[in-house]
This record gives sequence, C-alpha cells and structure tokens, in this order.
Amino acid sequence: NAGVTQTPKFRVLKTGQSMTLLCAQDMNHEYMYWYRQDPGMGLRLIHYSVGEGTTAKGEVPDGYNVSRLKKQNFLLGLESAAPSQTSVYFCASSLTSGGLNREQYFGPGTRLTVT
Amino acid sequence: GENVEQHPSTLSVQEGDSAVIKCTYSDSASNYFPWYKQELGKRPQLIIDIRSNVGEKKDQRIAVTLNKTAKHFSLHITETQPEDSAVYFCAASVRSGAGSYQLTFGKGTKLSVIP
Repeated sequence: NAGVTQTPKFRVLKTGQSMTLLCAQDMNHEYMYWYRQDPGMGLRLIHYSVGEGTTAKGEVPDGYNVSRLKKQNFLLGLESAAPSQTSVYFCASSLTSGGLNREQYFGPGTRLTVT
Repeated sequence: GENVEQHPSTLSVQEGDSAVIKCTYSDSASNYFPWYKQELGKRPQLIIDIRSNVGEKKDQRIAVTLNKTAKHFSLHITETQPEDSAVYFCAASVRSGAGSYQLTFGKGTKLSVIP
C-alpha cells in the first residue's frame, strides 16, 4: 500500500495563478482532510470530507476550494494564489472520525511558494 | 471552537533525561487526544493517543496523561535518545456541527536531544 500520496511535491506560483493539489489514498478511508502548516502555527484545517461527494469548511477555508469526486481522491484548488498562501500543505485520511480507527494518516506534503 | 495551547515551544534535554510537553484545551466535549511526531522535512506521524475515558497510557518510553477536570494532557518521554529529536504536536478532537470529529492542533514543540 502506498498510503497517502500527494502531487506535486513542490510548486512555485506567481500571484494570481491557479493550481490544484491532488491527494490520493489507497486505504479505503472515508474521511480526508487538507491542512496547511506554517512556521510556529502548527497544522490548521482548511477543508475536509466525510465521504465521496461531500466537503466541509475547516478553520481556514478562505481562498481554497475542494472536491471529492472519487472516494480515494481529494483535490485542493487555489483559484487566485496569494503570497499568504505560501505554506506546506498536508493531506490526511482516516477510516472514521469519532470512533475506533480514527488515526489520521498524513501524506508527504506539498511545499508551495507564491511570489 | 476548540483552542489548544502547547508548551514549551522549544525544549532541549541531555540524552538519557526525560522530556515533558504539556497541552491545554478549551472545549470540555473533546474526547480524543493524539500526539504526532514530525521529523525535519517529513510528514507528521502518530506516536500515541488517549481517549477521554482513560487517565494514562504508556507505550515503552512514551506515556501520555490526561486530566479532564483541568483540561490538560501531557506527553512524557523517558530515557531520551538523539532520534527523539523532532517537532511534537498535540491535538484535541471535538465534534463539529456537521456531526464528524475534527482535530485542532497545538503549535508544536521542537525537542532537541543533546548527545
């Protein structure tokens, strides 16, 4: 099993450009999450999904959109990138959210720089 | 929403000594408290977790304690080794309005074990 994978690993964007980050998991997990990690700020939840076709806002959703058309994939989109979106983005997945097997498994991260 | 405070932000210990990291949370409904370890340039990985119906849990050199009344929990690492050097994140899980549970992370503690 590959677990959770993310593409791309690195990306540099100019202000105003758009891009999509792809997260894929092969563990048949229902729940998927997008976090951003900034120095000294920990991990902050951007959006999450409780199942195929569903998405919900997290703590810092502004400037991002997501889609979960297939159970194994969770896409994070930036429509018009801003320097404030320079960050490391982590995707995670879990089998459940509130019961047993609620451990979140993280992907390797995408380092995004917006100039 | 939930607020998780983590202290200290940096911690240096001599190899073989113990390390303690403390977190407090604000929402008394939080019921699950995982700890993640993140090595430099790597993804966060779960090292231990505790549920609200348990006061203490131990796994070899790592232990976590939970005081629900005071709303704080702590990570204890004994006999520290250089490979314990990493950033450690605590988190608290609380039910969202959508009915699923989300993690709120502390800002992290950078642990350095000096040989």
